[in-house]
Amino acid sequence: GAVVSQHPSRVICKSGTSVKIECRSLDFQATTMFWYRQFPKKSLMLMATSNEGSKATYEQGVEKDKFLINHASLTLSTLTVTSAHPEDSSFYICSARGGILAGESYNEQFFGPGTRLTVL
Amino acid sequence: GESVGLHLPTLSVQEGDNSIINCAYSNSASDYFIWYKQESGKGPQFIIDIRSNMDKRQGQRVTVLLNKTVKHLSLQIAATQPGDSAVYFCAERRASSGSARQLTFGSGTQLTVLP
Repeated sequence: GAVVSQHPSRVICKSGTSVKIECRSLDFQATTMFWYRQFPKKSLMLMATSNEGSKATYEQGVEKDKFLINHASLTLSTLTVTSAHPEDSSFYICSARGGILAGESYNEQFFGPGTRLTVL
Repeated sequence: GESVGLHLPTLSVQEGDNSIINCAYSNSASDYFIWYKQESGKGPQFIIDIRSNMDKRQGQRVTVLLNKTVKHLSLQIAATQPGDSAVYFCAERRASSGSARQLTFGSGTQLTVLP
């Protein structure tokens, strides 16, 4: 299957700073990328959906000015948590879907390994 | 509201036994279902999927059953191994969710394999 990477895997920052998380599709072109947030022992909650070259669509209750998403290319999307606070501490997971893999078009959704954010 | 939910939050099985993890969904418009395995500190890993025009699909040691009449989905793991210990999520994709067709995840079941 396709590989999605995230960087960094863990980040600790001070309250008030901004943190950028990168999501890359390594061997396919992702037309759509998704960002999820997961609290301990909870399910994945979709934060936003982004298509390459267009603005992200945020889920209800997710502040777009707080969680900036950029999907500048078919292989890279970034999530920036601005002015982070302790309540933003969470596990952030990206997912990528769509495009061409090994000459075949597909519609499967692949997940990254996640980024653990801790805001002090 | 519409949701995908799991019957049991935790499940413990003896190594070698079969495991059955259940999931209920409420949106009859869902046309695609996926089971994911998530180990601690990692992202979800695809296990098996099934489309709504099927009622059973088998993989390696895993079988997914779909009962559209009662909106029920199950994952069966044969000869459960210690490496199967993880949280299992079902997810649905709704045909009516527009071009994005994002997944909606259930609450998850923690599977623990006992020695």
